[in-house]
Amino acid sequence: GAVVSQHPSRVICKSGTSVKIECRSLDFQATTMFWYRQFPKKSLMLMATSNEGSKATYEQGVEKDKFLINHASLTLSTLTVTSAHPEDSSFYICSARVMRGEQYFGPGTRLTVT
Amino acid sequence: DAKTTQPNSMESNEEEPVHLPCNHSTISGTDYIHWYRQLPSQGPEYVIHGLTSNVNNRMASLAIAEDRKSSTLILHRATLRDAAVYYCILRVGSSNTGKLIFGQGTTLQVKP
Repeated sequence: GAVVSQHPSRVICKSGTSVKIECRSLDFQATTMFWYRQFPKKSLMLMATSNEGSKATYEQGVEKDKFLINHASLTLSTLTVTSAHPEDSSFYICSARVMRGEQYFGPGTRLTVT
Repeated sequence: DAKTTQPNSMESNEEEPVHLPCNHSTISGTDYIHWYRQLPSQGPEYVIHGLTSNVNNRMASLAIAEDRKSSTLILHRATLRDAAVYYCILRVGSSNTGKLIFGQGTTLQVKP
C-alpha cells in the first residue's frame, strides 16, 4: 500500500508554545488529507478534512484557530497546534486519500505538552 | 453518520480462524464497509473493504450479509501479530468525498 509519513514522531513542548506536525504522502498524490487525534485507550476522532489549495473543513467542536491546517501541495499537509496546553497532549494521526478512494494513515505523532 | 456496532473485545487462539462481527443496520445503499486495524502507538492499517459482495485479499476475507446490515471480518489463521484493535467503518458518501468515522472497535487478543 501507499506510504504516509509524519514528522516528528514524538514531540514535547512547553505550555503556551506552538507545534507543527507534517504529514507527507511519499509515493502518491493525495487529493484529500485528514487529521485525527486519539486519546489513550480511545478511538480516533476526526478533527478536519483538507483539500490541496483550499481551506480545511473542521469537525464540530474543533477550534480552527487553535488547530491550523495548511495543505500546501498534493503531498504535504501540516497541522499546527497553537498555544498548546497540557490537555492538547494526544496522539495525532494524519491520513491521505488517493483519487480512487483508498485512504492510508500515517504512523502518528505523540504530542506531550508540559 | 451511519454507525457500526462491534463487540468490545474478542479472544482467539493462535493459528485458529477468527470471525469479527459488525452490525450496521442503518447502512445506506452507497456506503462502503471498511475495516482497519491499529496496533498500539501506530496509525491504523487498511485491512479490507467492500460494498455488496464478499471480498478476499491476502490479509483477510469480508463476508457481507445479503441485506448489508451486518458484516464479518474473517482472519483465516490468527497469528500473534494480528492482536490489534479492529475497526469496522462505514464510509458515508462517494469515494472521493466520504469520511472515515471511527467507532470503538474490537480489541482482539490472540493467545499462543
